[in-house]
Parts: sequence; C-alpha cells; structure tokens
Amino acid sequence: SQQGEEDPQALSIQEGENATMNCSYKTSINNLQWYRQNSGRGLVHLILIRSNEREKHSGRLRVTLDTSKKSSSLLITASRAADTASYFCALDSGGSNYKLTFGKGTLLTVNP
Amino acid sequence: NAGVTQTPKFRVLKTGQSMTLLCAQDMNHEYMYWYRQDPGMGLRLIHYSVGEGTTAKGEVPDGYNVSRLKKQNFLLGLESAAPSQTSVYFCASSRPTGRMEETQYFGPGTRLLVL
Repeated sequence: SQQGEEDPQALSIQEGENATMNCSYKTSINNLQWYRQNSGRGLVHLILIRSNEREKHSGRLRVTLDTSKKSSSLLITASRAADTASYFCALDSGGSNYKLTFGKGTLLTVNP
Repeated sequence: NAGVTQTPKFRVLKTGQSMTLLCAQDMNHEYMYWYRQDPGMGLRLIHYSVGEGTTAKGEVPDGYNVSRLKKQNFLLGLESAAPSQTSVYFCASSRPTGRMEETQYFGPGTRLLVL
C-alpha cells in the first residue's frame, strides 16, 4: 500500500507566522486526512478532504488537494506555540475497512 | 466518554517474554486498529478488525497476534518478545455503527521496551 510523503521533515517558525506543509502520494485515493501528534501523545484528527474536493477550511487550518499532481498541503495561519507538534498526512485508498497509510510526518516548532 | 484507552502505558520486557496490550473504546466503533510507531518511520499498521470476532493482517503483522472477542476491546499479543519490537504502540478505532465516518480516534499509546 502507498505511503504519503510529507515535506519538509522539520519546520521552525515564529509565533504569528504561517506554516505550510505538504504531502505527496503515488496512487489514487478516496480521501486524505491530516493528524496532529503532540510529543508523547496519541494522534488527533484535524481535517479530512475527499478526492472530489479541492479545498477545505477548519478554523486556522486550510487544506488543499490537487489530485492531478497527487499532492496536498496543510496551511496553519497565525501559528501559536501550542501548534508545536508533528503533523501527519494519512491516505485512505478506498475499500471497506477504512485502512489509513501514514506518512513519516512534519515536525513543526513554533517559537514564542 | 473516555474515547480510546490503552493499558499499560509503559512496560519493560525481557527477550522471550510474552505480554498482552489492551485497547478499549466506548464510542461503539466497528473498526479497530493496532499501529506501531518507530523513530523516523511514521505509523505502521500491525493488525486490524472490522467487527467483533474478526481480525486481519496489516503491514507488519509478524510476531504479533490479536483478538476481538468483544466489540469494545482489541487485544494485541506478543508471544515471544524481541528487541525489534521495542516501539510505541497505538490503538485506534473508527466507524460508528450505522455511520460512514472515516476518521480514526487514537489512544494515548503504550511504550514497550524489550531488553
């Protein structure tokens, strides 16, 4: 099964700046999800975008999906120190068991 | 609503010992999953279950067994632990009965060290 590839592997910004991370994949998907993981904790779902959608918003999060380029981006606007975490994209390639394939993640550090 | 809980939080084993990790969810989810997370590797699916009494292999099933005797519980067993099984193990669940929701909900993780 395919794995999403996040870019960059690590990102360090100042509070108030925007953070953008990308996810690329190789084969068709049913949907793509973004999760956040704080250090030492479990993953928390942030947002899901379906293959027929191009953009979704949730609070300070904006996700885009370009199926022709097989890529997605997650934008966090006006970042806060509390946004410091690892961010993972997860691919749902379809099927009836809702299996997800996770990338290796982007470590975001927001400096106060 | 406790969500997804995992027991124990941390365990140290010697090579060859056995143990069982317990995952419980109170969200009436049909599907449950066990992942392992290693540094630089992301999450990898070990086994999963699409309903009570069913289990299936994921990406890295060797050395592990699972059981889903009750809908709310999913057990992961290591029969003979090896140092390569040192990892953080996460349980997740999804798909409330009657709803086509794909989001997975994760437990807090179990840190396992095999010496």
